[in-house]
Amino acid sequence: GENVEQHPSTLSVQEGDSAVIKCTYSDSASNYFPWYKQELGKRPQLIIDIRSNVGEKKDQRIAVTLNKTAKHFSLHITETQPEDSAVYFCAASPYNFNKFYFGSGTKLNVKP
Amino acid sequence: GAGVSQSPSNKVTEKGKDVELRCDPISGHTALYWYRQRLGQGLEFLIYFQGNSAPDKSGLPSDRFSAERTGESVSTLTIQRTQQEDSAVYLCASSYHPGTAYNEQFFGPGTRLTVL
Repeated sequence: GENVEQHPSTLSVQEGDSAVIKCTYSDSASNYFPWYKQELGKRPQLIIDIRSNVGEKKDQRIAVTLNKTAKHFSLHITETQPEDSAVYFCAASPYNFNKFYFGSGTKLNVKP
Repeated sequence: GAGVSQSPSNKVTEKGKDVELRCDPISGHTALYWYRQRLGQGLEFLIYFQGNSAPDKSGLPSDRFSAERTGESVSTLTIQRTQQEDSAVYLCASSYHPGTAYNEQFFGPGTRLTVL
């Protein structure tokens, strides 16, 4: 089955700096890669996603890159703000979306 | 409209008892997922329902776990003879994806299960 690894487990940055979170996956059949933000005690929310036919996608301060050959994808947050502090999860899913495999999460702390 | 809802929000049970968790998906959503999230960890896929197709049960950790869904409505996750390692937050999510198209899955608030 699929194995998704996520690094780092914790990340502390100064407000205004950039943050990068990296994930690797093992199953070449995976072709959809979402990122979720989960604030303490709340449900996960989708913040950005990418499909395997695209190398990069950007939405304001958030971007995701995908390298299918190397089987890794990354989340980039620029100009971080204190409200970006949360746990971020990457995930991978095959073409028919019948299951999602999640990374172990990255706790991002943005210091004001 | 209303989002995904789950009940109960919290459940404390004794080891060996059975528990039933409920998920009400967003109306019209064809797909429904159950996940388990242990403290400080990522989400672990349990089971997937899509319309009237046979569910994908490949993530269920043991035969003590089962889930049902009637059509595109409510789903229940049942854990029999609960063990302390079953303690976790159980999250349900639903999405609309006919065939191989896909739309975002929306999560419910979760049920926090504590097995004493």
